[in-house]
Amino acid sequence: DAGITQSPRHKVTETGTPVTLRCHQTENHRYMYWYRQDPGHGLRLIHYSYGVKDTDKGEVSDGYSVSRSKTEDFLLTLESATSSQTSVYFCAISERALPEAFFGQGTRLTVV
Amino acid sequence: ELKVEQNPLFLSMQEGKNYTIYCNYSTTSDRLYWYRQDPGKSLESLFVLLSNGAVKQEGRLMASLDTKARLSTLHITAAVHDLSATYFCAVDKWAGNQFYFGTGTSLTVIP
Repeated sequence: DAGITQSPRHKVTETGTPVTLRCHQTENHRYMYWYRQDPGHGLRLIHYSYGVKDTDKGEVSDGYSVSRSKTEDFLLTLESATSSQTSVYFCAISERALPEAFFGQGTRLTVV
Repeated sequence: ELKVEQNPLFLSMQEGKNYTIYCNYSTTSDRLYWYRQDPGKSLESLFVLLSNGAVKQEGRLMASLDTKARLSTLHITAAVHDLSATYFCAVDKWAGNQFYFGTGTSLTVIP
């Protein structure tokens, strides 16, 4: 397995609270991604990073922010969680020389 | 807006039968990926298709890519129960390491 660790693996939080999910990689890959997975929607790209401090929005970025201060860590923050952000969140990594993306184990987030 | 469409969304098939899953996409791309996901698990890479006409085979699964038609297929031969899973295709937008996924095909193989 690619060295990708997501934390926490499960979280229940209340509406309106801030939440940060962490993705840590040991592969030194340049690209990192956050996806959310919802029934009927497949995986949708939230944000991605192409290097330290270089990030960009994906297709469903509203309500989310990211930061990447080190190659190995990519943080996803929900500034004020809403019930519509209840989902399974996956982190992924890739590198130009290895075109496919590798996925972490996922974080199940429930906003009540 | 880039669209990646898979069909069917749900597939129930008997063991021993053949079937094909289709993946259509709306952007110009030479990179197409197939992933497998078991319930409650992460995504596992199955195939990487990097050029028009590419064909890859692994066991009972074979994937192909037609970039002119913007179509990839995942063909299942003589299905077995172990193939039950959800299968996703993904397109690399502009070959720039941006991966956009289809909605997935949930496959159930019935004895």
